[in-house]
Amino acid sequence: QVQLVESGGGVVQPGRSLRLSCAASGFTFSRYGMYWVRQTPGKGLDWVAVISYDGSKIYYADSVKGRFTISRDNSKNTLYLQMNSLRVEDTAVYYCAKRAGYDFFHYWGQGTLVTVSS
Amino acid sequence: DIVMTQSPDSLAVSLGERATINCKSSQSVLDRSNNNNYLAWYQQRPGQPPKLLISWASTRESGVPDRFSGSGSGTDFTLTISSLQAEDVAVYYCQQYYSIPPYTFGQGTKLEIK
Repeated sequence: QVQLVESGGGVVQPGRSLRLSCAASGFTFSRYGMYWVRQTPGKGLDWVAVISYDGSKIYYADSVKGRFTISRDNSKNTLYLQMNSLRVEDTAVYYCAKRAGYDFFHYWGQGTLVTVSS
Repeated sequence: DIVMTQSPDSLAVSLGERATINCKSSQSVLDRSNNNNYLAWYQQRPGQPPKLLISWASTRESGVPDRFSGSGSGTDFTLTISSLQAEDVAVYYCQQYYSIPPYTFGQGTKLEIK
């Protein structure tokens, strides 16, 4: 079955960097686009970034453009999110999600909590 | 950007009764070339990640109980739970995938037992 396991969250000061990883299994990772979605504690869902199956197409939410970088290593079945210049408002649970054949979120990981605080 | 607005924000329904959640998009998410509505529904139980329930406005995912149904077209959509069970306590989100990026969600509807 599809498994997505995020890691790399933690507490970080404003302005610092963090890299999240998402280890995928149970499907052919290299055939599917992948997403990062975040959820502020007690709030709703916000899409962060998307990467195509081969990494050739990438899009970001305006709120993270220029600060976050999504990437993938198909040889390792792993998705990444490099987060630079972190802000207090980036505090959230970050989920990775697998694209279905179309642009909805087919499967989700359990999430990893990122807390940006001084 | 397409804005998704759900109503109500919260809802309390008795066990066995019907629950209805509405979702309205600021622009149509219907592709008239294929007559498909690019609208999905997700369920997020407490402490869990979201789970896809319905895509294309009305197509249930495999394993989703048939008490869950989706309807609507264009800009107005509804998620109906025909007979509420205790395990249906969750926050429900709609999401459009017609005009992306950005991928936009409704603000969520919290469903509780009365």
